[in-house]
Amino acid sequence: AQSVTQLDSQVPVFEEAPVELRCNYSSSVSVYLFWYVQYPNQGLQLLLKYLSGTTLVKGINGFEAEFNKSQTSFHLRKPSVHISDTAEYFCAVSFGNEKLTFGTGTRLTIIP
Amino acid sequence: GAVVSQHPSRVICKSGTSVKIECRSLDFQATTMFWYRQFPKKSLMLMATSNEGSKATYEQGVEKDKFLINHASLTLSTLTVTSAHPEDSSFYICSARDHERLNEQFFGPGTRLTVL
Repeated sequence: AQSVTQLDSQVPVFEEAPVELRCNYSSSVSVYLFWYVQYPNQGLQLLLKYLSGTTLVKGINGFEAEFNKSQTSFHLRKPSVHISDTAEYFCAVSFGNEKLTFGTGTRLTIIP
Repeated sequence: GAVVSQHPSRVICKSGTSVKIECRSLDFQATTMFWYRQFPKKSLMLMATSNEGSKATYEQGVEKDKFLINHASLTLSTLTVTSAHPEDSSFYICSARDHERLNEQFFGPGTRLTVL
């Protein structure tokens, strides 16, 4: 079965500390991977994506993610977070078709 | 480029009425548009996929007669919630894709629907 899992529903992090938001997927076909950020009462903004090629992908706002095929993971990282990074983060996967399947989301809270 | 707008951003309606939500691609031609629903503090659930000029494809469990989708042009898709009930209250988000960037969807800002 094809699925996307974000194990951490909430992640509190002190300002300027590093953060990693986890995303795992299950699939028997090739995948395209995305991370989106959602601020309160707003739509989704693309942070970064992996379609092919280099497995370490850099995105906006200082975020990066690494595609690990053997571990079927696409964890999102940032070396130093800011208050403005407080938001909901969604991992999404396209399982060889045009549809996106979203994870359940991780609420990142930055502690001053 | 790749900006998607939605109108209205918020709407409150009475139970039993119909509400139309518009999704527009402002600077590209959207061959495919997607409609999602998001419950409070939950993830996005795909409701339907629409291709310009053809009928929408609904996901399992989504009532096509209740959620009418029209994609009459390459820049506009509409979602009409018919005979709305309080349980239809939700955040509705659309996304659009063009024929060049097949692997990416561009999302609108969402519409908050409240049915009284």
